[in-house]
Amino acid sequence: EAQVTQNPRYLITVTGKKLTVTCSQNMNHEYMSWYRQDPGLGLRQIYYSMNVEVTDKGDVPEGYKVSRKEKRNFPLILESPSPNQTSLYFCATRQAHLPEAFFGQGTRLTVV
Amino acid sequence: GENVEQHPSTLSVQEGDSAVIKCTYSDSASNYFPWYKQELGKRPQLIIDIRSNVGEKKDQRIAVTLNKTAKHFSLHITETQPEDSAVYFCAASMEAGNMLTFGGGTRLMVKP
Repeated sequence: EAQVTQNPRYLITVTGKKLTVTCSQNMNHEYMSWYRQDPGLGLRQIYYSMNVEVTDKGDVPEGYKVSRKEKRNFPLILESPSPNQTSLYFCATRQAHLPEAFFGQGTRLTVV
Repeated sequence: GENVEQHPSTLSVQEGDSAVIKCTYSDSASNYFPWYKQELGKRPQLIIDIRSNVGEKKDQRIAVTLNKTAKHFSLHITETQPEDSAVYFCAASMEAGNMLTFGGGTRLMVKP
């Protein structure tokens, strides 16, 4: 079954404690991206990757890092989380030649 | 970069009535306009999309219209049902380009 899998689904953490949210896809999609969803602001892109070892900033990259060492995985790293990073995070993937995006289940992060 | 505005932010209709959600975009190079539906606690899922070479597309009770000159597109849902209640997102992108830029979302409530 074609899947985009995020882990964890829920996370409560404290300010400053490094964390990683993983995203894995089995669809062999070239493009992967991270979005955060906040009320009234829709889905805003954090980082994206068009291929292995190629990453670029989206609209709201501050406070986040990503890596794309292999095609199937695209982890989101928060080196020093702050309360304003409390949000719902989605990983999304798509093929290079087709525009439809497929989303993971989401990760609800709370930073206290 | 692209900027997508979506209105209204909330919409309440009676079951059986029609619902219309409107979006405007800023980048004339955008040529792909999808609509995503997000049910409570779930991931966004594509419900319909339109490319810039057509002005209208219909799929059963939902339709999307595109006005390239005015740079706006709309989602029309006819004969609404309670299961249509969800948050709807419009988005825009260049098919061969980056990932999607989303509007702020519309919470649609269909009252039985």
